[in-house]
Amino acid sequence: SQQGEEDPQALSIQEGENATMNCSYKTSINNLQWYRQNSGRGLVHLILIRSNEREKHSGRLRVTLDTSKKSSSLLITASRAADTASYFCATAIKGAGTASKLTFGTGTRLQVTL
Amino acid sequence: KAGVTQTPRYLIKTRGQQVTLSCSPISGHRSVSWYQQTPGQGLQFLFEYFSETQRNKGNFPGRFSGRQFSNSRSEMNVSTLELGDSALYLCASSHLPGALDEQYFGPGTRLTVT
Repeated sequence: SQQGEEDPQALSIQEGENATMNCSYKTSINNLQWYRQNSGRGLVHLILIRSNEREKHSGRLRVTLDTSKKSSSLLITASRAADTASYFCATAIKGAGTASKLTFGTGTRLQVTL
Repeated sequence: KAGVTQTPRYLIKTRGQQVTLSCSPISGHRSVSWYQQTPGQGLQFLFEYFSETQRNKGNFPGRFSGRQFSNSRSEMNVSTLELGDSALYLCASSHLPGALDEQYFGPGTRLTVT
């Protein structure tokens, strides 16, 4: 079963606009990670945010984490056509220590048009 | 630094056969995890190996097995293939076990079972 659910399932925006994707999860986490996947290829790690952090930035990416609401959001600013991909959140459950594993959400399909 | 490599990239097998997939992690990474990705079930964790020991296993039948060698390279084997095993198989490597840090994914092996 999936720990995370992403919203929306699909998002279509124009180049230059911002894109926001949300992720909700069910149990307490050690960390939450965001990944990008281009059309059936391998996943690329974007950002890892730990449970004691609230916000992280990387270039045009901004991730927030609200552990009280068990939710996270990924904001991509000034989007480009090259950002077209599927975006996944993944959680490592708290308390499992080194026996934890990444549980992936269902993904958001982002389409950026010119 | 070379990325995670997976071989073969594409594979077509017949139901009932067995298959072995290979994954070479980033140099210095001792953790290798395997995932199965299908349109219906999404990304699902198969197992993780760290320093040649299986640290965690997902909810897959015993037909799915793996191992890790002293150089951290890993193989996964699927015996008695079923049509439902058709999927993209991804491996990921990291420094730490248990999804405690970012995972670096390979390009995947696309397995088709006919």
